[in-house]
Amino acid sequence: KQEVTQIPAALSVPEGENLVLNCSFTDSAIYNLQWFRQDPGKGLTSLLLIQSSQREQTSGRLNASLDKSSGRSTLYIAASQPGDSATYLCAVAAGAGSYQLTFGKGTKLSVIP
Amino acid sequence: EPEVTQTPSHQVTQMGQEVILRCVPISNHLYFYWYRQILGQKVEFLVSFYNNEISEKSEIFDDQFSVERPDGSNFTLKIRSTKLEDSAMYFCAIRTEETQYFGPGTRLLVL
Repeated sequence: KQEVTQIPAALSVPEGENLVLNCSFTDSAIYNLQWFRQDPGKGLTSLLLIQSSQREQTSGRLNASLDKSSGRSTLYIAASQPGDSATYLCAVAAGAGSYQLTFGKGTKLSVIP
Repeated sequence: EPEVTQTPSHQVTQMGQEVILRCVPISNHLYFYWYRQILGQKVEFLVSFYNNEISEKSEIFDDQFSVERPDGSNFTLKIRSTKLEDSAMYFCAIRTEETQYFGPGTRLLVL
């Protein structure tokens, strides 16, 4: 059974700092990996999707990497801003034909002005 | 990004009552998903729905749960006889190509 772990559970950084969020998964036979943002009491906003054949994806100040063989992904946020404060979730899709997502518990990020 | 709305945003119900949660994608989609998030816990997969049929379901999705697309646009999740442990945020998602897009959720509280 796939297990997804995110470390740290919470992170507090001063505005402007670059930061890295970590995600690990136990079964490397994934189809893709998706990073989401969740604001308190709200839904999930898709940030980036990385296919299993890709190594990284970039969107603005966000860069996600994937090392499928070691079961790891990172989300790099450059020049953090207070508006980046949220919980960041990592989720993996099981395999071709099965797109159900298995989620980590998330990293709660606070960016201090 | 595809837009997905869910109604109601909040629902309070008594244990044993039936509830219906609705998902309305703005444009036409074929792939639908329901997930739930118990307060403080991970988001968990419940069921996927394609071409008017369930394609996958988790062990959580027992006989108390059902899904349907009654009018070709709305996508509903029904819980027949709610239990206290059904209290959670329920998210609908649609998939386009590889990416899943989530609605804002329905917060269900069972008393």
